[in-house]
Amino acid sequence: EIVMTQSPGTLSVSPGERVTLSCRASQSISTDLAWYQQRPGQAPRLLIHGASNRATGIPARFSGSGSGTEFTLTISSLQSEDFAIYYCQQFNNWPPITFGQGTRLDIK
Amino acid sequence: EVQLVESGGGLAKPGGSVRLSCAASGFSFSSYSMNWLRQAPGKGLEWVSFISTGGSHIYYAESVKGRFTVSRDNGKNSLYLQMDSLRAEDTAVYYCAREYCGGGTCYSDYWGQGSRVTVSS
Repeated sequence: EIVMTQSPGTLSVSPGERVTLSCRASQSISTDLAWYQQRPGQAPRLLIHGASNRATGIPARFSGSGSGTEFTLTISSLQSEDFAIYYCQQFNNWPPITFGQGTRLDIK
Repeated sequence: EVQLVESGGGLAKPGGSVRLSCAASGFSFSSYSMNWLRQAPGKGLEWVSFISTGGSHIYYAESVKGRFTVSRDNGKNSLYLQMDSLRAEDTAVYYCAREYCGGGTCYSDYWGQGSRVTVSS
């Protein structure tokens, strides 16, 4: 089973700041990685697929990069609606499909 | 507009059963594989089960294997999860999600709003 590890667990940031979230896979997953955003009380929403491709309707301030075992999600200028939990997910070697434990963005 | 609507959740006793349904609309349901995922209270996301377009390929997480059964009815645009021998640790919000595969990779591009299952005596 591929273990996905996200860091940090929680990040306190101010609106307008640039933030980078990390996700590491326990073995190479090429670019078979997706990022999801989950706001409180809502279902997850797809942000990025294939490590760097924005999903339909996702603002350009969200960008993803990486391949192999190291991946990042960058939000260039945080908006109030971006304070949420972010999960990475691998679809390379499955089953099982596995997720990171999530990174929570809090307002500083 | 793609819509996935789960139903069937509620309170069940340990050892009991629940059947979740997921009604799909706005896309050709029979052309897409589907997943069930869950989220325990205050916890992260966990994949539960996968079913291919025609139902010939089915996979389960080890934590539910032998207790849960996924199925689909393409004529009714519906996905199901039969949950038997329920345990307290099955308490979670259960999501159905469409699996999209393209460009050499796959991902869950649309999710339902979730159905809460609570297992308690």
